[in-house]
Amino acid sequence: GEDVEQSLFLSVREGDSSVINCTYTDSSSTYLYWYKQEPGAGLQLLTYIFSNMDMKQDQRLTVLLNKKDKHLSLRIADTQTGDSAIYFCAERWDSAGNMLTFGGGTRLMVKP
Amino acid sequence: EAGVAQSPRYKIIEKRQSVAFWCNPISGHATLYWYQQILGQGPKLLIQFQNNGVVDDSQLPKDRFSAERLKGVDSTLKIQPAKLEDSAVYLCASSSTSRSGSYNEQFFGPGTRLTVL
Repeated sequence: GEDVEQSLFLSVREGDSSVINCTYTDSSSTYLYWYKQEPGAGLQLLTYIFSNMDMKQDQRLTVLLNKKDKHLSLRIADTQTGDSAIYFCAERWDSAGNMLTFGGGTRLMVKP
Repeated sequence: EAGVAQSPRYKIIEKRQSVAFWCNPISGHATLYWYQQILGQGPKLLIQFQNNGVVDDSQLPKDRFSAERLKGVDSTLKIQPAKLEDSAVYLCASSSTSRSGSYNEQFFGPGTRLTVL
């Protein structure tokens, strides 16, 4: 099976930037996504990037895509305690409809 | 707009028992997904419906899992009989389409947490 890989844990101080990394599997992936999951809740889409883009910025969020290395990152500027959650990257293959393959998630802890 | 609804939120059963989960997608969403999320892992797709037809069920353990979406709206996922390794959160998601070429957000429900003893 294919694996989307993420580091397990990240701890930052409030106000610092957080960078969450992901390595995906298929260079033919069309869209790559970042989802956020808070305790006891479903997944919430934070942002996405189309595969022909290198970077996307959305307020405090910056997504960087390196297709050559199949590497995706999510930078959260001015991280707040409310950003503490698990972050999942996911890739989508159009050959498989809208099927998403998720990484194992990175738990972000923000210390006051 | 109401989100994806799931019930029950929690279920505890003994192994070899049966269990069913229910999902009501966002109104008008043609595509519905069931995911299994084992503790500490990312969600894994079990089955995808387009209206009332199955698009992909390649990762559904068909000897014990079944799912239906008879009228193309609500869906049920059943496990019969349950095993210890089925303990997980079962997430339902919906999207307006599964058409390629669009970013096509999937909206997730809160999930049903199943514990098999």
